[in-house]
Amino acid sequence: DAGVIQSPRHEVTEMGQEVTLRCKPISGHDYLFWYRQTMMRGLELLIYFNNNVPIDDSGMPEDRFSAKMPNASFSTLKIQPSEPRDSAVYFCASGRQGNYEQYFGPGTRLTVT
Amino acid sequence: QQQVKQSPQSLIVQKGGISIINCAYENTAFDYFPWYQQFPGKGPALLIAIRPDVSEKKEGRFTISFNKSAKQFSLHIMDSQPGDSATYFCAASMYAGNMLTFGGGTRLMVKP
Repeated sequence: DAGVIQSPRHEVTEMGQEVTLRCKPISGHDYLFWYRQTMMRGLELLIYFNNNVPIDDSGMPEDRFSAKMPNASFSTLKIQPSEPRDSAVYFCASGRQGNYEQYFGPGTRLTVT
Repeated sequence: QQQVKQSPQSLIVQKGGISIINCAYENTAFDYFPWYQQFPGKGPALLIAIRPDVSEKKEGRFTISFNKSAKQFSLHIMDSQPGDSATYFCAASMYAGNMLTFGGGTRLMVKP
């Protein structure tokens, strides 16, 4: 079975540009999580969905960040406009209803210059 | 507020030795305590996990010890191998489907 799929794997963009990160969760999973990893702050939750509905977005840094999950097999995280401090690795993870386990994708390394 | 504190930040162990990483948590509502292993350029991979109704769980060379009264848990890697060299994260969650709160990570190096 395919794991969590993220694209692109690497993204380099200039400050002020819009960035869209994509995630395909494991088929049959009901939860989808977006985490961000930085040296300073470690791994932190940005937002998560249950059955395509956002449950907790308290980790979203500011209005420049938005996330959607239009269907069970696809989610996007958008940053507009991007800033150098957004440079990080962004991970998507998914889990099954009633289970604790979360499975992570390979991540998208974002660099904003 | 850092709810899960992990130590040490880095660890060097000789091949065949025991690696021990510790975590402490504050929120007594946490109900699930996983450990993740992360190699450079990869996503965190679930290694082993424990619920607070047991004090120890073993899977191969990896063991979690859990002390509910002290609000602490630890990962023991027996017979450490160079292939175990990675960053290890402890985490905690309050219920199935809830977010994970991560510790700061431990970079483990196993010397041949």
